[in-house]
Amino acid sequence: IAGITQAPTSQILAAGRRMTLRCTQDMRHNAMYWYRQDLGLGLRLIHYSNTAGTTGKGEVPDGYSVSRANTDDFPLTLASAVPSQTSVYFCASRPGTGVNEQFFGPGTRLTVL
Amino acid sequence: RKEVEQDPGPFNVPEGATVAFNCTYSNSASQSFFWYRQDCRKEPKLLMSVYSSGNEDGRFTAQLNRASQYISLLIRDSKLSDSATYLCVVNEGSNYKLTFGKGTLLTVNP
Repeated sequence: IAGITQAPTSQILAAGRRMTLRCTQDMRHNAMYWYRQDLGLGLRLIHYSNTAGTTGKGEVPDGYSVSRANTDDFPLTLASAVPSQTSVYFCASRPGTGVNEQFFGPGTRLTVL
Repeated sequence: RKEVEQDPGPFNVPEGATVAFNCTYSNSASQSFFWYRQDCRKEPKLLMSVYSSGNEDGRFTAQLNRASQYISLLIRDSKLSDSATYLCVVNEGSNYKLTFGKGTLLTVNP
């Protein structure tokens, strides 16, 4: 069982380019989350999905979009990357109602130049 | 105002020492509390949940004081492998979204 996988592991991207970070889980968890982690700011929620077909905005959603076409996949898209989106991005999942623990993927290190 | 505040650290302690981390949260409606551990360049992983009655897992003890909106983590007999960043995490309501503190870096020295 892989748990949560993220791709790519790292990426250097030119400003203005479009980029999709991939996240896949094989645990059949209902809820999924995207966070960014920046030095001095901690982990901040970008977008979330409580179940397939639904999404919601987190604390810092601007410049990002998500989709949740099925239970397993939760891609994060940067439509036009800017340098301030340089960060480490973590995807996480949670089993379902009544369970609060979130399980994190290994992260994607993104640098926007 | 940051909703979850932690000791800024860093903490440098010798092996075998006892170390305590503190955390306060601002939302009195918060329902669930956790300590996560994050190793350098790795993802956060759940260390333990924090219950109102306090709970212990081996060398780790977590306590919650709802009246003071305060959470603590005590590590006894520190090991080199305890070196990591410890994140205080709060679920503020029924939406299951978590709010993370900035983390406290612990280094256990030989």
